[in-house]
Amino acid sequence: AQSVTQLGSHVSVSEGALVLLRCNYSSSVPPYLFWYVQYPNQGLQLLLKYTTGATLVKGINGFEAEFKKSETSFHLTKPSAHMSDAAEYFCAVSDQAAGNKLTFGGGTRVLVKP
Amino acid sequence: NAGVTQTPKFQVLKTGQSMTLQCAQDMNHNSMYWYRQDPGMGLRLIYYSASEGTTDKGEVPNGYNVSRLNKREFSLRLESAAPSQTSVYFCASSELWVEKLFFGSGTQLSVL
Repeated sequence: AQSVTQLGSHVSVSEGALVLLRCNYSSSVPPYLFWYVQYPNQGLQLLLKYTTGATLVKGINGFEAEFKKSETSFHLTKPSAHMSDAAEYFCAVSDQAAGNKLTFGGGTRVLVKP
Repeated sequence: NAGVTQTPKFQVLKTGQSMTLQCAQDMNHNSMYWYRQDPGMGLRLIYYSASEGTTDKGEVPNGYNVSRLNKREFSLRLESAAPSQTSVYFCASSELWVEKLFFGSGTQLSVL
């Protein structure tokens, strides 16, 4: 069965510092991988996704993620944090073996300090 | 463009009461989903409808029923609410199966 593990339920970064959110997955077949962001009192929005092709994926708001098959990872990064990046971030995986249903990680809440 | 609209935004129920959460999307999407969000557990799929006329169980379907009323609307019903169903519920839709999901703003449900 597919699963997603996000290391760290809370991350605190200073404005201007690197944002690094870790995601590891398990899947029996090549997966589709996603990062979603949830701002306070809102639904989730897609940041970026990996399906096939280039393993470095660029998303909205300056975020990017790299699919590393050997490490079963899909970590999310942003070179310079902005106050508006304060939100909760969810990694998700989907594969055909699971009927292409999305499985979400537990989420990482990002706090940005001025 | 409203996207995905959920009603109500907040609801408090007593144990044993029933209610229906409504969801409508105006993007002509084929697939619709109901998730619940609990702290530290991410989002868990309750039920989904891959296309109009079909529904299927997700990861945590017990205690819930759904109806895909038409292509636009997908409702979630709690027949006899339990405190364990206290959660935030999200409806989502996508044009294709497990393509980009569009989420509603959620329903915060408390069962006392």
